[in-house]
Amino acid sequence: DAGVIQSPRHEVTEMGQEVTLRCKPISGHNSLFWYRQTMMRGLELLIYFNNNVPIDDSGMPEDRFSAKMPNASFSTLKIQPSEPRDSAVYFCASSRTGNRGEQYFGPGTRLTVT
Amino acid sequence: AQTVTQSQPEMSVQEAETVTLSCTYDTSESDYYLFWYKQPPSRQMILVIRQEAYKQQNATENRFSVNFQKAAKSFSLKISDSQLGDAAMYFCAYRSGGGGGADGLTFGKGTHLIIQP
Repeated sequence: DAGVIQSPRHEVTEMGQEVTLRCKPISGHNSLFWYRQTMMRGLELLIYFNNNVPIDDSGMPEDRFSAKMPNASFSTLKIQPSEPRDSAVYFCASSRTGNRGEQYFGPGTRLTVT
Repeated sequence: AQTVTQSQPEMSVQEAETVTLSCTYDTSESDYYLFWYKQPPSRQMILVIRQEAYKQQNATENRFSVNFQKAAKSFSLKISDSQLGDAAMYFCAYRSGGGGGADGLTFGKGTHLIIQP
């Protein structure tokens, strides 16, 4: 069974450009989470979805960040316009409701904004 | 809001010995889950062990075990017979048990574990 898939694995972009990160959760999982990891702030929850519906986006840092989940097998995290301080590793994770809270993480996308 | 504290930025242990990583948390909830995740240099987040708050028995997974002290809000990880492959960042995490277990994780800052051969 394939795990959580994220693309791209690495992204380098210039300040002001739009960045789109993609995630495919594990089949059958109905919850999806986006996290950001930086040296300064550690691992932070940005937003999560249950059954494709955004539940809590209080962790999204600014209006420049947006996330969508158009169907059960795909989600995007978009940053527009990007800034150097957005440089981080972005993780997507998924879980199944009632699965004792266990989340499975993707390999992450390392974003560098110059 | 819940908080998770890992007071040891770095720990070092000799191969084959035992090491304990500390974690404390703060919550007003009675139903929750606690986890330890391992992050090797590959940056992949790997679940090591989980503990349900309602269970008094400490969780064990092979060489990994926890000491869960609910009243003290403490959740330490013990690694026995340390191996070179155990070298990684270890993160303690909290998740609310409400909402069918579909809430996000709150992480500690992590402990960098070094294994000395």
